Amino acid sequence: EAQVTQNPRYLITVTGKKLTVTCSQNMNHEYMSWYRQDPGLGLRQIYYSMNVEVTDKGDVPEGYKVSRKEKRNFPLILESPSPNQTSLYFCASSPRGYTDTQYFGPGTRLTVL
Amino acid sequence: GQQLNQSPQSMFIQEGEDVSMNCTSSSIFNTWLWYKQDPGEGPVLLIALYKAGELTSNGRLTAQFGITRKDSFLNISASIPSDVGIYFCAGQLAVESNTGKLIFGQGTTLQVKP
Repeated sequence: EAQVTQNPRYLITVTGKKLTVTCSQNMNHEYMSWYRQDPGLGLRQIYYSMNVEVTDKGDVPEGYKVSRKEKRNFPLILESPSPNQTSLYFCASSPRGYTDTQYFGPGTRLTVL
Repeated sequence: GQQLNQSPQSMFIQEGEDVSMNCTSSSIFNTWLWYKQDPGEGPVLLIALYKAGELTSNGRLTAQFGITRKDSFLNISASIPSDVGIYFCAGQLAVESNTGKLIFGQGTTLQVKP
């Protein structure tokens, strides 16, 4: 089944404890992107990747890192999480770019205490 | 960052009614996208618009790319209970063409009373 998977789905952590949210797609898509969703703010793009080894900042990249060493995986890394990074995170992928249909993962709800 | 102003924030309507929502900006966009998010799920693309003035339908949904390139509209005709969800507009700024950057509106929460 064609899908985008994220792990974990739920995570409660403490300030400063490094964490990684994994994202994987099995559709051989070139484009992948991370978003955070907060009430009243919609979705905001954190980072995106047009292809392997190519990553660029979105609207709210501060406090986040990403890597794209292989086509299928696009992990989101929080080196030192803070409470303002408590949010619902979505990974998405599309064949070539944002204008293609983006397939979103199920979301990761992160709470930083 | 750049803002997309989406309105209304929420709507509570009767089944069978038509719905309209819009997104506006002070900046020019070269692409507009409309997504729907069901509870507990990620957004799903409904309609994509690529040219000023373009009018595109997807079943009971119709969206338009505004002539000024600073706005877009989504209409839903004869609403049904499964239309419930959050609708987002999204777009790419003209000044950011050839990047993968995408900006989302704040969302319109739609509730339909049977």
